Amino acid sequence: AQKITQTQPGMFVQEKEAVTLDCTYDTSDQSYGLFWYKQPSSGEMIFLIYQGSYDEQNATEGRYSLNFQKARKSANLVISASQLGDSAMYFCAMREGYSGGSNYKLTFGKGTLLTVNP
Amino acid sequence: EAGVTQFPSHSVIEKGQTVTLRCDPISGHDNLYWYRRVMGKEIKFLLHFVKESKQDESGMPNNRFLAERTGGTYSTLKVQPAELEDSGVYFCASSHRQSSGNTIYFGEGSWLTVV
Repeated sequence: AQKITQTQPGMFVQEKEAVTLDCTYDTSDQSYGLFWYKQPSSGEMIFLIYQGSYDEQNATEGRYSLNFQKARKSANLVISASQLGDSAMYFCAMREGYSGGSNYKLTFGKGTLLTVNP
Repeated sequence: EAGVTQFPSHSVIEKGQTVTLRCDPISGHDNLYWYRRVMGKEIKFLLHFVKESKQDESGMPNNRFLAERTGGTYSTLKVQPAELEDSGVYFCASSHRQSSGNTIYFGEGSWLTVV
């Protein structure tokens, strides 16, 4: 069974500083994908970044980067130059299977509530 | 391009009543998913459609929940009769069958409160 662990219920960061949100996962599959989503107070789940298990390079999307350490089964999200609008709940999730496969089920962590202070 | 849209955004119903949630996926997305987050718990998978076919419904809590996707376009999730423990946020998500990066896009959720 898959499991996603986010050990930080809440995090605080000063505006313009970088912050790392932790995520560890557990799976026996060789092929899987890791996602990070942001959920602001409006409720929408916003896709941030994706890392495939076979990707050799760490994924980056603007100010977001994913620190993927496969041997340690960790997929931490790094947000550089934090902005006030980054305050939100952040969810790590894992998808099992190949991109062309039939099983797209996601397993989510409990989330980390990030607060950016001015 | 319109994102995943869900209706209603909020619903308050009494125990024993029926509620139907609707999801319109991103146009052209074959895959449609329903997820749920109840208070204080993780977001949990409910089911997955590929076009109009149920691919995986292992996450459906019980037979009070019925999901349909007629014609492979929009989907509905009906809860009948609703119980107190059904309160939570119901998310719909969609993805293209062969999307690079395997991005799965979520809607804003339908917040259900059963009183």
